[in-house]
Amino acid sequence: DTAVSQTPKYLVTQMGNDKSIKCEQNLGHDTMYWYKQDSKKFLKIMFSYNNKELIINETVPNRFSPKSPDKAHLNLHINSLELGDSAVYFCASSQDFRAGETQYFGPGTRLLVL
Amino acid sequence: RKEVEQDPGPFNVPEGATVAFNCTYSNSASQSFFWYRQDCRKEPKLLMSVYSSGNEDGRFTAQLNRASQYISLLIRDSKLSDSATYLCVVNSEEYGGSQGNLIFGKGTKLSVKP
Repeated sequence: DTAVSQTPKYLVTQMGNDKSIKCEQNLGHDTMYWYKQDSKKFLKIMFSYNNKELIINETVPNRFSPKSPDKAHLNLHINSLELGDSAVYFCASSQDFRAGETQYFGPGTRLLVL
Repeated sequence: RKEVEQDPGPFNVPEGATVAFNCTYSNSASQSFFWYRQDCRKEPKLLMSVYSSGNEDGRFTAQLNRASQYISLLIRDSKLSDSATYLCVVNSEEYGGSQGNLIFGKGTKLSVKP
């Protein structure tokens, strides 16, 4: 059973398009996250949601809009895609948002913007 | 100053070697420390948490020095399967060190050769 799943696994699209990435966790966790790993392999937090409420919003362009329909799902919608958005996007979840909680990552979505 | 800094690597070692990874962090208020492992084109996975008293898990030993803001990971008797990128991770300063916003180092790549 996959604990944290993401779809799609690969996404190739043209500049200017709008795309969504979906994430689901079946661990019963309260907190979910989106991370971006760029071409230099640097992994950075983008957003964090706890029980469907946004708790962390790093300096991310407002073209990126997360949505959490319930605490098991956290989707990421990206408007007007740019070349610099090409990266691997990882979803993660943890029991809650306290420091020390293990975060479990999904397999990643490889986004390539042409 | 970068929040989490690691040896740039890569480390190329023979099987059976002992290898040490070092990491420094900038936020003295951080409360949680981890080593994650990331295999090529895979998601990061928790290897071990790091406690002030130091902790050991089989061939892996993690140490934390709060005064120096320094974290280490030692792998003894390295195996081919240990080949991966090792990520030093601490929780973020911005949220007072008490929330689960993780800051990742860039990672150190390890290649264990037969």
